[in-house]
Amino acid sequence: GESVGLHLPTLSVQEGDNSIINCAYSNSASDYFIWYKQESGKGPQFIIDIRSNMDKRQGQRVTVLLNKTVKHLSLQIAATQPGDSAVYFCAEVGGNEKLTFGTGTRLTIIP
Amino acid sequence: NAGVTQTPKFQVLKTGQSMTLQCAQDMNHEYMSWYRQDPGMGLRLIHYSVGAGITDQGEVPNGYNVSRSTTEDFPLRLLSAAPSQTSVYFCASSYGTRYEQFFGPGTRLTVL
Repeated sequence: GESVGLHLPTLSVQEGDNSIINCAYSNSASDYFIWYKQESGKGPQFIIDIRSNMDKRQGQRVTVLLNKTVKHLSLQIAATQPGDSAVYFCAEVGGNEKLTFGTGTRLTIIP
Repeated sequence: NAGVTQTPKFQVLKTGQSMTLQCAQDMNHEYMSWYRQDPGMGLRLIHYSVGAGITDQGEVPNGYNVSRSTTEDFPLRLLSAAPSQTSVYFCASSYGTRYEQFFGPGTRLTVL
């Protein structure tokens, strides 16, 4: 069945270092993937997306990598800042047209 | 644009009571959806709509009803509240599932 999971539930990173958040997915038919950031008490906020015909996509300080061979997605945040502290979710869309979220990774930035 | 708005922000219900969570968007988005988020978990899809007059079930639809009479509004109805429905509810809208979803601020619901 479809599932989206994360390798690590929590991640602590020194301010200024790069962060890498990983996500595994099981539905090989999924063709669209998204990363969301959720700050405490707020709704999820779109960060970046990638379609299955791409391996890499870059935004401002963020890069998403997609490895379809091993069904793995990662979010890289460059030069992490205190404002990057949040829970990060990956999500996928497959043939059923439904958005399925993973359980999330809490990123904590150490000053 | 106000984006996606949700009311109320907080609600406490007794078991068996019914209520409607309101969701509205002013971005002319066709796709709207409702999610619930339980502590330490991701978002689970309750119901969604691809346009006015069209709704469909998500992953956890039992105990909830929706309707979509206009493009702007997508209310979620709890028919007979149960403690298991204690959660934070998020409404989202977008041009489609393969586009950026805009989320509302959420409604925190407690059922006693």
